Amino acid sequence: GENVEQHPSTLSVQEGDSAVIKCTYSDSASNYFPWYKQELGKRPQLIIDIRSNVGEKKDQRIAVTLNKTAKHFSLHITETQPEDSAVYFCAADNQAGTALIFGKGTTLSVSS
Amino acid sequence: DGGITQSPKYLFRKEGQNVTLSCEQNLNHDAMYWYRQDPGQGLRLIYYSQIVNDFQKGDIAEGYSVSREKKESFPLTVTSAQKNPTAFYLCASSMGGRGRQPQHFGDGTRLSIL
Repeated sequence: GENVEQHPSTLSVQEGDSAVIKCTYSDSASNYFPWYKQELGKRPQLIIDIRSNVGEKKDQRIAVTLNKTAKHFSLHITETQPEDSAVYFCAADNQAGTALIFGKGTTLSVSS
Repeated sequence: DGGITQSPKYLFRKEGQNVTLSCEQNLNHDAMYWYRQDPGQGLRLIYYSQIVNDFQKGDIAEGYSVSREKKESFPLTVTSAQKNPTAFYLCASSMGGRGRQPQHFGDGTRLSIL
């Protein structure tokens, strides 16, 4: 079935370093790839998304890259800050475009 | 997002009891979703609905039921057939009834067994 793999499951960086989280997806028909940030006990919030017709998208310190041939996409956070500490989820839409399939999440810890 | 309201925030279920989680949205979104979140498991899709009076099973629908009688409301019932219901339940909605639109989440309901 449709699947999204996310790596690593945990990531620890020093403040100011960059962080990269990678996801692979199984369905070549997927066209929409959002990233969510979830702080402890709170709702997931969309931080950036990308569609299959572009290869990269940036929003200040956050960027997402997409390689449709290899079926993988990545989240890049530069100049990390302690408030970036959270669980990050990637997702891909299903073949019908009617639902999202989520990865299992990456717990990012940024130490000052 | 203030447009999606889940209640209650905490819920306790006794053995053999059905409980219903509420989800209401005022974003005029066509599609609504229910997810279950367990530690280390990510978000797993239970049910989703693209339009009123229609819904589809997700990956882990067994032991759950839903209804979509109004566009704004998508309640989830956790039945006694769900043997391990302890989890954090999240409701979401999106525009256009297609997964290719951003999903917005409620604050969640934490369900525990008494």
